[in-house]
Amino acid sequence: GAVVSQHPSWVICKSGTSVKIECRSLDFQATTMFWYRQFPKQSLMLMATSNEGSKATYEQGVEKDKFLINHASLTLSTLTVTSAHPEDSSFYICSARDRRVGTEAFFGQGTRLTVV
Amino acid sequence: TQLLEQSPQFLSIQEGENLTVYCNSSSVFSSLQWYRQEPGEGPVLLVTVVTGGEVKKLKRLTFQFGDARKDSSLHITAAQTGDTGLYLCAGGVNTGTASKLTFGTGTRLQVTL
Repeated sequence: GAVVSQHPSWVICKSGTSVKIECRSLDFQATTMFWYRQFPKQSLMLMATSNEGSKATYEQGVEKDKFLINHASLTLSTLTVTSAHPEDSSFYICSARDRRVGTEAFFGQGTRLTVV
Repeated sequence: TQLLEQSPQFLSIQEGENLTVYCNSSSVFSSLQWYRQEPGEGPVLLVTVVTGGEVKKLKRLTFQFGDARKDSSLHITAAQTGDTGLYLCAGGVNTGTASKLTFGTGTRLQVTL
């Protein structure tokens, strides 16, 4: 199956700093990538849809100035958590769709962010 | 807002037992996917169903999409300890060029010896 790689797998940062998470589709082109957030023992909540070459579409309640998304190429999308605070600590997961296989989305391994 | 409710939320069974997980919504979806997620990892796709009434089998796992494409079920026969994990259903909705996924509330399965 298609491979989606996230980096880093985990990161610890100080409160007030910014953290960038990368999501790469390794063997296919992804015109659309999705960013999710998952709290412990809960399901995935969609944060935003990232479209290559255009602005991301954010879900209701997600602060676009806090969670900056860039999708500059067909294989890379980045999520930057700006001025991170402890409440931003979470598991962030990206997924990417290969349009050639329909609606299936392939997920990265996730990034555990801890803000101290 | 489309909601997908899964039941049960948590299930602890012994190896060899059968189980069924349900995924229900009041909304219609163009597709329904089932994922399994292990702690600290991303979800792994198990199956996609797109046709109302469709039934798919994957070894000991049987997936069914409701006739009205609003609900789905996952049945596991003779569960094994390796089946332990978080099972997530996700409904797909086509929005122009992208298909958004709405995830269910999740079912945490624990299979013990």
